Amino acid sequence: DTAVSQTPKYLVTQMGNDKSIKCEQNLGHDTMYWYKQDSKKFLKIMFSYNNKELIINETVPNRFSPKSPDKAHLNLHINSLELGDSAVYFCASSLRQGSTPLHFGNGTRLTVT
Amino acid sequence: GDSVTQMEGPVTLSEEAFLTINCTYTATGYPSLFWYVQYPGEGLQLLLKATKADDKGSNKGFEATYRKETTSFHLEKGSVQVSDSAVYFCALSPTPMDSNYQLIWGAGTKLIIKP
Repeated sequence: DTAVSQTPKYLVTQMGNDKSIKCEQNLGHDTMYWYKQDSKKFLKIMFSYNNKELIINETVPNRFSPKSPDKAHLNLHINSLELGDSAVYFCASSLRQGSTPLHFGNGTRLTVT
Repeated sequence: GDSVTQMEGPVTLSEEAFLTINCTYTATGYPSLFWYVQYPGEGLQLLLKATKADDKGSNKGFEATYRKETTSFHLEKGSVQVSDSAVYFCALSPTPMDSNYQLIWGAGTKLIIKP
């Protein structure tokens, strides 16, 4: 029974397209995150939601828009995709704001051509 | 601000070799320290943690000791296996947690174990 699940696992698309990545957690956690991992494995936090409320919004182009319909779901919509958006995007959750550990999904590998 | 520095990879070892992956940190206050592991094609998962000075975290044969005097949290394993091949991340949780409630991550160290 997967704790944090993301779909799709792979996403290949062309520049200029709009795409979404979905994330769901069944751990009953209050806080969810989106991270971006580049080709050198460097991890960068993008967004964090606590109980559907945005609490972290790092310097990310406004083409990226998160949405949390309920505390178990956090989706990421990306408009006008660019080559530099190619990366692996990870969803994660934690019991509450500021708590550890983080539980990660298996990632979505986005390739923009 | 707080930061984490890890040794650059990849680190390549033969099976049964001794492993050390260095991690040093800069922080005010009394952070908690973590090692996460990312196996190929998977997300990160917590490997071990330590919440105060001189604590030793351990799991799956890996150990790390929180050394405040040297601001270090080096990961060690006495005898590595091919299945330990992964990327290892050192991370810090500031105390008090900063206003953005973020973990501070190292850059990751890729470990390759050859049979």
